[in-house]
Formats: sequence, structure tokens, C-alpha cells
Amino acid sequence: DAKTTQPNSMESNEEEPVHLPCNHSTISGTDYIHWYRQLPSQGPEYVIHGLTSNVNNRMASLAIAEDRKSSTLILHRATLRDAAVYYCILANAGKSTFGDGTTLTVKP
Amino acid sequence: NAGVMQNPRHLVRRRGQEARLRCSPMKGHSHVYWYRQLPEEGLKFMVYLQKENIIDESGMPKERFSAEFPKEGPSILRIQQVVRGDSAAYFCASSPGQGQQPQHFGDGTRLSIL
Repeated sequence: DAKTTQPNSMESNEEEPVHLPCNHSTISGTDYIHWYRQLPSQGPEYVIHGLTSNVNNRMASLAIAEDRKSSTLILHRATLRDAAVYYCILANAGKSTFGDGTTLTVKP
Repeated sequence: NAGVMQNPRHLVRRRGQEARLRCSPMKGHSHVYWYRQLPEEGLKFMVYLQKENIIDESGMPKERFSAEFPKEGPSILRIQQVVRGDSAAYFCASSPGQGQQPQHFGDGTRLSIL
């Protein structure tokens, strides 16, 4: 399975932008890049996904490198409610492999 | 618009008993996925099902674990003769299709083995 690599943890100040990186050097041409986040005692929540082009939605933006070997999730203005574990995964034909994710801490 | 519903939220079993975890997917979703999460770890894929079919069970332990998604009713993850190591949070997700379709997760069942 194609794997992703993320930093274990990151910190941000409230109201500032956050860039969460993800490396996926073994990505295949048909793999989609998905981001989820998980708050304590809850199931993961879908954030955003893309294939080749950058994507924007009400929660975040996804910037995908031209060679698709890395991507960055961008939270434009972090709030305390954005503190969570963020998972970058590659999705293809059903099975999705979650890594350990990045724990984002947001400081007031 | 009901999301993915899992029950029970918490389940306590003694060693050797059976555990049944239920998952009702979102309306219109015919694909169901089960994951297991140990404390302080990420989610581990277990099994992917469509209605009445197991598509990928590569993450399921070979013994004691089984899953089904019948034509009518919820998907069931069944663990027979539970052991302490089965204690974990079990999450179910559903999607309308496979591959690039985002998965929508339930809030999980926390299984504790005494």
C-alpha cells in the first residue's frame, strides 16, 4: 500500500494560518489524496480531497505538488476547535491506510 | 440527515464472550468499512464490504473476527471468544461508492474486555 508521512505534531496560534504537510512519494496515478481529522472520543471527520489540482472548500484548502509526491492542508485561520489529529491518506478502490497523523495544537 | 450510526457506543465483555458491533451506514451509501484504533494510535483498516459481499478483508485477523453487510439491516462486526487484546475503539465508515469517494465515519464503539 502507498504510504504517507506526516510530522507527529505541530503548533499554531489562534487566528493564524496553518500548513500541515504530507509526503506520499509512492503515490500511484489513480490514488486520491484525502484529509481527515479526529477530535478526542470522536470518529474521523472528512476535511477535503483532491487528485491533481488544488482544492478549496469551506473548511480548508488542499495544495498538491505538481509531481503529486506531497501535499499541504491549509487552515486559513486556526481556531481552538481545529485542535485535532489530522490524517493524510491515499484512497483507491476502497481500502484506505491511515498513518499516525499530525497532532495539531492551537494556542490562544 | 442521519450520519453513520454505530451501536452500542460502549461495550463491556468478559474474556471468552462474543462481541457484536453494529453499523448503519448513511442513507444511500452501499459501501461500509471497519477500522480498529488502539489508544494513542491511528486507525487500522479491517474490512471493506458492499451489500452482501466482502470486497477486502485483508486487515481482519484470520480467526475469531467476521463481518457481514446483509441486504437488509446494519453491518455487523462479530468478535468471538474475545481476549484482552481486542480492547479498542472500532469505527465504521460508509461511502456511496469506492475509491475517491470520501468516507463518513460513525463515533465508534469502545470495546472493553475484562
